[in-house]
This record gives sequence, structure tokens and C-alpha cells, in this order.
Amino acid sequence: QVQLVQSGAEVKKPGASVKVSCKASGYTFTSYTMHWVRQAPGQRLEWMGWINTGNGNTKYSQNFQGRVTITRDTSASTAYMELSSLKSEDTAIYYCTRPHLPTVITPVSWFDPWGQGTLVTVSS
Amino acid sequence: EIVLTQSPGTLSLSPGERATLSCRASQSVSSNYLSWYQQKPGQAPRLLIYDASSRATGIPDRFSGSGSGTDFTLTISRLEPEDFAVYYCQQYGSSLITFGQGTRLEIK
Repeated sequence: QVQLVQSGAEVKKPGASVKVSCKASGYTFTSYTMHWVRQAPGQRLEWMGWINTGNGNTKYSQNFQGRVTITRDTSASTAYMELSSLKSEDTAIYYCTRPHLPTVITPVSWFDPWGQGTLVTVSS
Repeated sequence: EIVLTQSPGTLSLSPGERATLSCRASQSVSSNYLSWYQQKPGQAPRLLIYDASSRATGIPDRFSGSGSGTDFTLTISRLEPEDFAVYYCQQYGSSLITFGQGTRLEIK
């Protein structure tokens, strides 16, 4: 079955960077984009950006422009999200999620499945 | 970007009652590309509805979605105890995806 497994919780100091991984299985990795969504405590889901896992092209939310970098390793069927210049407000659960439809149809569609989430805590 | 506003913020109902959740977009959602998710504490969101009115695989038929353009509704016909959770709408009509702020459905 389609599965997304994320790396473990991280604790970072303000100003540092964090890199979260998302390993995909159960489907052809390069046939679907991969998106990242975060959720601060008690807050709404916030879309961060996506990567075309086939060619590496990316698109980011303006809210994170310049601070977020999404990459992938096709040999490992793994996507990565790196967030730099961390602030306490970046404390959140970070999810990777895959659109239901393949990239050849559309890079964005409804999300299913989701990774289990990675808690990133930013604290001095 | 398209701003999604959900109402009410909190809905207090009893099991067996009907729940009606609203999601309003700041501009028309292309092709009614709107989905609904359920989220319980400590869990990732779970897809319920896509393309405004199509039920996802395995979702009970008490969940239904409707609407078009800027106004969308998620209806739960008869609430079960496991339905009490937070619900989010999401639009994917634009390549800049956005979510609503959520409606918390709590037991009265």
C-alpha cells in the first residue's frame, strides 16, 4: 500500500536549520509530486510547497519563500524539506503528503495519503 | 491566494444530530476543486471529500459534500461518537494551495 514515513522529532535553536525526510513506498515515486504542510500548535494546516519528483522543479508558498527548500533523492524514493533561519513560531508538526493524481495529469489535487508528521521544536 | 473561511468555529451537537459545516472562498474555486479533511488529536488529516462532492474510499455515506463557486458545505447526516473532531476544507484549484482555519465539532 502507499505509505509515507517521515523522520523523527527535532529540537533546534533559533537561527538554525532543520531538514525533514519523507520516504515513499508502494508506488512509483517520480510519478507524483510531493507536498509539505505544517501545523503549529492549535493552528490551521498551512501549505508550504511542492516538488515535481520527476524533474526536481519546485513551487513554494510566499509565506516561506527564501527559507524553505524542498529536494528529493529518486534513488531512495525520499523527499526532503529544509527550513532555515528558524524562529519559535516555526514550532509545528510538519507533514509530507502526496496528491491523489499523478503529475502527468496535475501537480496538485486532493491529498491522500499523509505522512505521520514530524514535530519540530524551536527553542533556545 | 484564495482565502478559505470556515464557519462556525465550533459546533456543539449530540450524537444522532445533523452537522452542517460551511467553507467560503474569497474567490471562485476553479472547477470546484475543494476537499474536506477530518483531523483527530495526534493524527494526520484524513481525506473525506474531494472535488467538492465525491466521497473518498472507505468514507461512510453519512458524510456528504456540496456547493460550487465560493460556497461549500460538508454535511454529516447522523453524528456518530467517532465523528467529533476538527474539519478542514482545502482548495486545489490554484497551484497555491490553501486551507480553511477549521471547524471544531464537539459533543454537546
